[in-house]
Amino acid sequence: DTAVSQTPKYLVTQMGNDKSIKCEQNLGHDTMYWYKQDSKKFLKIMFSYNNKELIINETVPNRFSPKSPDKAHLNLHINSLELGDSAVYFCASSQGVADTEAFFGQGTRLTVV
Amino acid sequence: GESVGLHLPTLSVQEGDNSIINCAYSNSASDYFIWYKQESGKGPQFIIDIRSNMDKRQGQRVTVLLNKTVKHLSLQIAATQPGDSAVYFCAENILKGGTSYGKLTFGQGTILTVHP
Repeated sequence: DTAVSQTPKYLVTQMGNDKSIKCEQNLGHDTMYWYKQDSKKFLKIMFSYNNKELIINETVPNRFSPKSPDKAHLNLHINSLELGDSAVYFCASSQGVADTEAFFGQGTRLTVV
Repeated sequence: GESVGLHLPTLSVQEGDNSIINCAYSNSASDYFIWYKQESGKGPQFIIDIRSNMDKRQGQRVTVLLNKTVKHLSLQIAATQPGDSAVYFCAENILKGGTSYGKLTFGQGTILTVHP
């Protein structure tokens, strides 16, 4: 069983479109995250949720909106996609906010053309 | 400001050698320092962490050393194997309250290549 699963794995879309990436964890963790990894492999946190409550919201454009319907799911919706949004997006979870061990999904490679 | 960076972007070693991956950090307020491994096409995977009040911690074939005087962190991998080939990231975590609470801040990453 996959611990943290995100879909789709690949996403190619045109500029201006709206798209969503879904994430689910079956580890019973309280905290979930979205990270963005650019072409130079730099990983940066975007959002963090703890028990469905937003606790970290980095300087991310308003076009990015996370939604956590329950603590096992954290979806990412992106409006009006831009070329610069092309990256690999990783969902992750940890037992709690203070945990150093985060479990990452396989990533979603988003390409905006 | 906060930053976690790496001295060497790439490291090539022969199978069986020991590997040392280095990381410099600037945020003295970090409570934990962590190493993650990312294999091609996969998400990062936790390797080991060290609390800021320690200077050494050992795991299975890995040792992390923390030198707070010079703000330096290293990951030593003993008897490196081809399966160790990956990108290695150091990261920091701050447990105090405020906007940094629970946020893992990653460094740039080092590519480790192990030759058979």
